[in-house]
Amino acid sequence: DVKVTQSSRYLVKRTGEKVFLECVQDMDHENMFWYRQDPGLGLRLIYFSYDVKMKEKGDIPEGYSVSREKKERFSLILESASTNQTSMYLCASSSQGYGQPQHFGDGTRLSIL
Amino acid sequence: SQQGEEDPQALSIQEGENATMNCSYKTSINNLQWYRQNSGRGLVHLILIRSNEREKHSGRLRVTLDTSKKSSSLLITASRAADTASYFCAFRVEYGNKLVFGAGTILRVKS
Repeated sequence: DVKVTQSSRYLVKRTGEKVFLECVQDMDHENMFWYRQDPGLGLRLIYFSYDVKMKEKGDIPEGYSVSREKKERFSLILESASTNQTSMYLCASSSQGYGQPQHFGDGTRLSIL
Repeated sequence: SQQGEEDPQALSIQEGENATMNCSYKTSINNLQWYRQNSGRGLVHLILIRSNEREKHSGRLRVTLDTSKKSSSLLITASRAADTASYFCAFRVEYGNKLVFGAGTILRVKS
């Protein structure tokens, strides 16, 4: 079965820390995405990647960076965590092409204190 | 904003009743998709309808798309308590390279 795995379900970090969120997919998908989900705001795209070592900014990239060194792994990095980055973070993957159905991980609920 | 708008924001029905959720958007689209999210979990893809299609069925799900009104609806027939979840529409803007998600409808099915 299709599987997208996020490394942590819950994470608590302190302001100013560098935070790494990891995502692995086992479907050999070309596309991978990072979203944040906040009540009343739906899903907002942070970054996405269409190939290894390739990345594109989404709607809210400020304060974040990403890394995709291998096809199956897509990492989200909070360079210097701030309290307004407390959120649910969702990783997704899809097959090649634009607008394909996306497969999601179960999310990481990140709290920045 | 390209974000889709969903209506209603929340819906509470009895088991066995039908549930209808609506999604509106402002731009031309390539396809529209519906996803379900159970509490504390990721989203699960339910159904995709292309811009040249008007209606699609999958089990107890029926999706319609009216591109002239820029709207779509998701109908869940004979609802069950297990259908309790948030439902999101998402669409690919024409010539766009990503999906845009709506804010979601929270559905509660009471047994």
